[in-house]
Amino acid sequence: GAGVSQSPRYKVTKRGQDVALRCDPISGHVSLYWYRQALGQGPEFLTYFNYEAQQDKSGLPNDRFSAERPEGSISTLTIQRTEQRDSAMYRCASSRTVGLNTGELFFGEGSRLTVL
Amino acid sequence: QQQVKQSPQSLIVQKGGISIINCAYENTAFDYFPWYQQFPGKGPALLIAIRPDVSEKKEGRFTISFNKSAKQFSLHIMDSQPGDSATYFCAASYGQNFVFGPGTRLSVLP
Repeated sequence: GAGVSQSPRYKVTKRGQDVALRCDPISGHVSLYWYRQALGQGPEFLTYFNYEAQQDKSGLPNDRFSAERPEGSISTLTIQRTEQRDSAMYRCASSRTVGLNTGELFFGEGSRLTVL
Repeated sequence: QQQVKQSPQSLIVQKGGISIINCAYENTAFDYFPWYQQFPGKGPALLIAIRPDVSEKKEGRFTISFNKSAKQFSLHIMDSQPGDSATYFCAASYGQNFVFGPGTRLSVLP
């Protein structure tokens, strides 16, 4: 596609349910990032992948959060046993290159999660 | 050390005026400093970026000024237009580690 695509755009769930958020990066982009953005705040790093390998997951808040990118393209962020504090905008970004000169991140429009 | 500070939190400017947003960082390993522009309902999009080997970069009405010794950088928007009304995020990066500031909400009055 032309840009980074995320689905669902909006997700309302009840506390305790599991949710899966999907990201389809720009074709050919080797790196994929997940961020969480609270209202009125900047993106907060969660995790990133180069190809299918998860390089850094230090930003994941706890072990209820996990992410995968099994074929080096589409990625899924899964939140188990959701809590109200998980409510936020979850943004995916991709970049063409890896390493020292990564350059521009291309962001998707995000998935807004509301946990009741 | 990973934090990027940004000010002001919000800014109101008259059309034709100059908008100035400031950022500061601590980690001297950062070597790439982009600014992202975000419109409501959209994801952030790269506006302009600078590397620390230069002190200024200009693209049209947008200029980044970079002070390596002070570990500060700023975005100047000349001749601000209502279409510039958006939230602006500074960021600092080394390798694939990107840290974003909290954002500045800019409103340009017609």
